[in-house]
Amino acid sequence: DADVTQTPRNRITKTGKRIMLECSQTKGHDRMYWYRQDPGLGLRLIYYSFDVKDINKGEISDGYSVSRQAQAKFSLSLESAIPNQTALYFCATSRETDTQYFGPGTRLTVL
Amino acid sequence: SQQGEEDPQALSIQEGENATMNCSYKTSINNLQWYRQNSGRGLVHLILIRSNEREKHSGRLRVTLDTSKKSSSLLITASRAADTASYFCATDRRGAQKLVFGQGTRLTINP
Repeated sequence: DADVTQTPRNRITKTGKRIMLECSQTKGHDRMYWYRQDPGLGLRLIYYSFDVKDINKGEISDGYSVSRQAQAKFSLSLESAIPNQTALYFCATSRETDTQYFGPGTRLTVL
Repeated sequence: SQQGEEDPQALSIQEGENATMNCSYKTSINNLQWYRQNSGRGLVHLILIRSNEREKHSGRLRVTLDTSKKSSSLLITASRAADTASYFCATDRRGAQKLVFGQGTRLTINP
């Protein structure tokens, strides 16, 4: 079984809808991250969490919110989706700032 | 803003040749990491080099780090078609507690 799972894998939604992307990990890591990737670009950090009580904004947090429900679960919400949030979203985990382990990604399309 | 800048943005070579990708960064780092991404999939960690290291090897991969020039290179020897992917460097800046990814090099190995 995969160490980092993301659901859904693909989602098409309409402008204004609320969307939640979920991430679960079995690696026992304290740190979890949400990234966004746009075509031909690298990853940009949306939010990150160092433990259940610690949530931090990344470089592009506007329009997004997160919830760390447990050590193993970190969800990303788009309260009112807009077309320029169409992208590939990745969750990752790590212990300290060493290797990050990525999920398979969620492809989100906002019409 | 991106900390790591990869060069070149795209590279196309023949199978069996060596591929070299470069990464430059701007501030002091704790470590630098290289990741690989197959089209539309999650990133996979390849190698981590710490700021007090100058060279590391892993199979056909060789990574160098020059902290005086704030640059790193990834060499893939005896390339294979399966090496076709995007390669990203990520830097762990001192005091930042998170990675910053570059925009990546898209590598194509022609059979």
